[in-house]
Amino acid sequence: SAVISQKPSRDICQRGTSLTIQCQVDSQVTMMFWYRQQPGQSLTLIATANQGSEATYESGFVIDKFPISRPNLTFSTLTVSNMSPEDSSIYLCSVEERAGENYGYTFGSGTRLTVV
Amino acid sequence: GDSVTQMEGPVTLSEEACLTINCTYTATGYPSLFWYVQYPGEGLQLLLKATKADDKGSNKGFEATYRKETTSFHLEKGSVQVSDSAVYFCALSDRGSARQLTFGSGTQLTVLP
Repeated sequence: SAVISQKPSRDICQRGTSLTIQCQVDSQVTMMFWYRQQPGQSLTLIATANQGSEATYESGFVIDKFPISRPNLTFSTLTVSNMSPEDSSIYLCSVEERAGENYGYTFGSGTRLTVV
Repeated sequence: GDSVTQMEGPVTLSEEACLTINCTYTATGYPSLFWYVQYPGEGLQLLLKATKADDKGSNKGFEATYRKETTSFHLEKGSVQVSDSAVYFCALSDRGSARQLTFGSGTQLTVLP
């Protein structure tokens, strides 16, 4: 399965600043996903990022707050903009892997963000 | 829309006890079903999956069977270990255009020696 390198693994940021999270995949993948996991909660999809097109955002998430880049088939970034303490969460990227009818999802190790 | 309902935790068991974590789903199509595990301070790891009715996924002593008639995918293990302490997430993926994972709320499992 694909190996995802996600950076940074954790950060403590001041409110009002922005943080860019990077995910590098060791193989070409079509679909990448960004999730948020608030403390003690499950994962919520932020957006789907396909190479060469605008990211598709889920209800409650907007591009101005969470801009995403997907410049090629192995890389994506998520920026958390104008941060507030409510943005303190774990952010995870994920890729879909398909081989015919068989498919699955691999996750990065996550970015633990604390906003103070 | 698609949804996953997962047994609420936390669950605390003694080592070598039997484990069952219930998971039921609602989906319009024929989803693939997954169990992911999150160890303390780590990301998500795929534990097992099943892609069609009556399939059984298994890994590390854990099993789950895709039951279409009861729309369930319960996670079971006959004898848990302290190292199984983690949060377990049930998830589904609709094979249609959406293709992202929909997660249950997660179940915290603690195994005591």
